[in-house]
Amino acid sequence: DGGITQSPKYLFRKEGQNVTLSCEQNLNHDAMYWYRQDPGQGLRLIYYSQIVNDFQKGDIAEGYSVSREKKESFPLTVTSAQKNPTAFYLCASSIMYSGSMVDTQYFGPGTRLTVL
Amino acid sequence: GDSVTQMEGPVTLSEEAFLTINCTYTATGYPSLFWYVQYPGEGLQLLLKATKADDKGSNKGFEATYRKETTSFHLEKGSVQVSDSAVYFCALGDSGYSTLTFGKGTMLLVSP
Repeated sequence: DGGITQSPKYLFRKEGQNVTLSCEQNLNHDAMYWYRQDPGQGLRLIYYSQIVNDFQKGDIAEGYSVSREKKESFPLTVTSAQKNPTAFYLCASSIMYSGSMVDTQYFGPGTRLTVL
Repeated sequence: GDSVTQMEGPVTLSEEAFLTINCTYTATGYPSLFWYVQYPGEGLQLLLKATKADDKGSNKGFEATYRKETTSFHLEKGSVQVSDSAVYFCALGDSGYSTLTFGKGTMLLVSP
């Protein structure tokens, strides 16, 4: 089955440690995205990538870093510079049409990060 | 820039009641419009979409019509079930933008 996988489902880290969240897709989508969701709030875009080896900052990129070395993979690192990292993190992917028209985004199951 | 406004929740209904969740948008182009659903502890799932004015998206008894004249894409269902309890997000995708713009989400709670 095609889809997006995120691992792990739950992640616990001590304050001051960097942590990397995994996101893999086998949908052959060009674009991938990372969102942060806090309780009772909507989605906030962290980073996105439309092509391998290229990515752009979203609305709340500070304290986060990403890489896109393969089309299928878009890992997110939450660094110690992120002041309040405890949240639910969602990865998504989509087809990109010519003219940068974005289509349906497909989401992974999410990773809940808790920093102790 | 583009924006999406949804009615604030929670929306609380009894089983078999009629559901409407309002969504209005502001866009510079001719966007595609989406409704996503999120069940507790899970990612978002596409519920339905519409790509041009007057299109109606439908899925699992839910419907929404793309109204350009009122810039709206309201979600409706004739008879809700307890299993419909979730958070619903309205979103738009506009030409020239590389991401979707999401509303803040509306929580729906359905009681037996």
